[in-house]
Amino acid sequence: AQKITQTQPGMFVQEKEAVTLDCTYDTSDQSYGLFWYKQPSSGEMIFLIYQGSYDEQNATEGRYSLNFQKARKSANLVISASQLGDSAMYFCVDNAGNNRKLIWGLGTSLAVNP
Amino acid sequence: EAQVTQNPRYLITVTGKKLTVTCSQNMNHEYMSWYRQDPGLGLRQIYYSMNVEVTDKGDVPEGYKVSRKEKRNFPLILESPSPNQTSLYFCASSLGWGTDTQYFGPGTRLTVL
Repeated sequence: AQKITQTQPGMFVQEKEAVTLDCTYDTSDQSYGLFWYKQPSSGEMIFLIYQGSYDEQNATEGRYSLNFQKARKSANLVISASQLGDSAMYFCVDNAGNNRKLIWGLGTSLAVNP
Repeated sequence: EAQVTQNPRYLITVTGKKLTVTCSQNMNHEYMSWYRQDPGLGLRQIYYSMNVEVTDKGDVPEGYKVSRKEKRNFPLILESPSPNQTSLYFCASSLGWGTDTQYFGPGTRLTVL
C-alpha cells in the first residue's frame, strides 16, 4: 500500500539557520507527485511546494526547496533562513495512484528558536 | 479573492442530532474533498468528488454523506453524529486531479457530546 513516512515527529532549529524535514514515500506508480503543506497552530493548511515525478529539477519556492531523490524515494523539504513564523506542523503528501486520494504523512512539528 | 469557505468554524452538538458542514469554493474547481484530522492519525479522506453529481468514498466514509449538486458546493452531512466523529474537518478543492494543488478551507472543529 502507498505510504508516506516522516521519521521526525519533532524538530528544533535556530532562527536564520536551515533545516531539512525528511519524507520517504512508497509507491509503485510511475507518475506521481509530492506536496508539502504547512499547518500553523491556527489550524489552516497552507500549500508550500510541489514536485512531480518526472520533473528534472528539484522544486523551489522562495525559502523552500525540495531535495528529490527518486531512486531513494525521498522528497525532503529544506527551509533556508528559518523564521519564527516557520514554527508549525509540516506534512508530506503523495498523490500517486488512480484512486484519486492523497496519502498523508503524520507530520513533523518544527519549532524555530530565537 | 480565491478561497474555500467552510461553515461553521466551530460546532458543539449532541449525539444523534443531524448536522451539515458547508463547503464552497469560488475557483471553478472540479475536484473537491473532505478530510478529518485526528491526533496521531494525520489527515484521512472521507469523501471526494471529481465533478458535479460524481462522488466517491475515501478512507473513512462511515457515518458521513456528501452531495455535489453544484460545482462550487460540497456539503458534508452527519445524519446521526457520534462522539467518535469529534474531529477537525477540512474541505479542499483543486482544479483537477494529479499535479493540481489542493486548496484547503479554514477547518471546522466539531465536538459531539
